[in-house]
Amino acid sequence: EVQLMQSGGEVKKPGESLRISCKGSGYTFATYWIGWVRQVPGKGLEWMGIIYPGDSFGRYSPSFQGQVTVSVDQSISTAYLHWSSLKASDTAMYYCARGARGRAGAGSFDSWGQGTLVTVSS
Amino acid sequence: DIQMTQSPSTLSASVGDRVTITCRASQSITSWLAWFQQKPGKAPKLLIDKASNLESGVPSTFSGSASGTEFTLTISSLQPEDFATYYCQQYKSYPWTFGQGTKVEIK
Repeated sequence: EVQLMQSGGEVKKPGESLRISCKGSGYTFATYWIGWVRQVPGKGLEWMGIIYPGDSFGRYSPSFQGQVTVSVDQSISTAYLHWSSLKASDTAMYYCARGARGRAGAGSFDSWGQGTLVTVSS
Repeated sequence: DIQMTQSPSTLSASVGDRVTITCRASQSITSWLAWFQQKPGKAPKLLIDKASNLESGVPSTFSGSASGTEFTLTISSLQPEDFATYYCQQYKSYPWTFGQGTKVEIK
């Protein structure tokens, strides 16, 4: 069974750094894209970026480029989303999701993590 | 960026109704469109991929279709468990983009 297990909720102060994680199991982690999606409470879904674990090739939404960094550690089948300096406006639920198989694969997100709630408040 | 315009934003319907949600892309995305269902407090769930391919385990009351840049999600007979918010998403080109969502409420 494909599973994506995300790290627990976080409460941080503005200016702090944060890394949340997403561990894949039940499939070959290196060969499927992993994406990140933001959802501000009460609002819609926003696509943040995507990474191919096999070679760490990634793409970002312009809205999030330079604000976050997506990375992976293939050895432990885990993807990460990192902020170097959080803002109050980063308060949201963050989901990881599995994309297509293969570097040239095409497909949307067929499995999702449970979400990580990040709260940024002074 | 490709804009996805989804309508309506809210829809009130009764059990057994036929429901249609529309998503229009700002440019051609061929069939690279997915539909998701999200229930409160839960992660989204993929219903339909490549505009009309029903995901395994999704009831056949759900269907998707495409005509040019207009895409439709149809629920042929609304069930109690279908009351949720639905999103379209294009994955033709980066950045992938979602529609604004359609909340299906009980009438």
